[in-house]
Amino acid sequence: NAGVTQTPKFRVLKTGQSMTLLCAQDMNHEYMYWYRQDPGMGLRLIHYSVGEGTTAKGEVPDGYNVSRLKKQNFLLGLESAAPSQTSVYFCASSGDSSMREQYFGPGTRLTVT
Amino acid sequence: DAKTTQPPSMDCAEGRAANLPCNHSTISGNEYVYWYRQIHSQGPQYIIHGLKNNETNEMASLIITEDRKSSTLILPHATLRDTAVYYCIVRVVYNQGGKLIFGQGTELSVKP
Repeated sequence: NAGVTQTPKFRVLKTGQSMTLLCAQDMNHEYMYWYRQDPGMGLRLIHYSVGEGTTAKGEVPDGYNVSRLKKQNFLLGLESAAPSQTSVYFCASSGDSSMREQYFGPGTRLTVT
Repeated sequence: DAKTTQPPSMDCAEGRAANLPCNHSTISGNEYVYWYRQIHSQGPQYIIHGLKNNETNEMASLIITEDRKSSTLILPHATLRDTAVYYCIVRVVYNQGGKLIFGQGTELSVKP
């Protein structure tokens, strides 16, 4: 099992450009999450999904959109990138209960200039 | 979800037990205590969780006070690889989506 993988690992964008971050998991997990982490801070939840075809907002959803068309994939989109979105983005997944532990991917380091 | 308070940093000698405290004085009856850690530049890693009884697994032990207002994560024999930021999180059982709310955590430095 690869666990949770994220694509790409690094990216530099110019202000106003768009991009999509891909998260994939091979553990047949129902729940998936996108977090961002800024220097010296803990992780903040952007959006999450409790199953295929569902999404919901987290703490800091503005400027991001998500889709969960397939159970194993969770996409995070930035339609018009801003410097404030410079961050490290982590994806996570967890099993069939909200009690289960979350498994995190290795992160995507995004810089917006 | 209840807020948690942790010391920003701690040191521990290699081979000794590391005891990381967490205060969650506003915890309610349906909230669990979770611990995760994040080794530099990696994604967080689950360690352990509990409700009111003490818990132990292959990584650590979790001691929760009887009034549940605080807890301690114990790494029994800390190694250099345990150097990381440790997050104490409380969350509602069966909350929608199982969301985790991360605080600032404790930066543990294990020294030779």
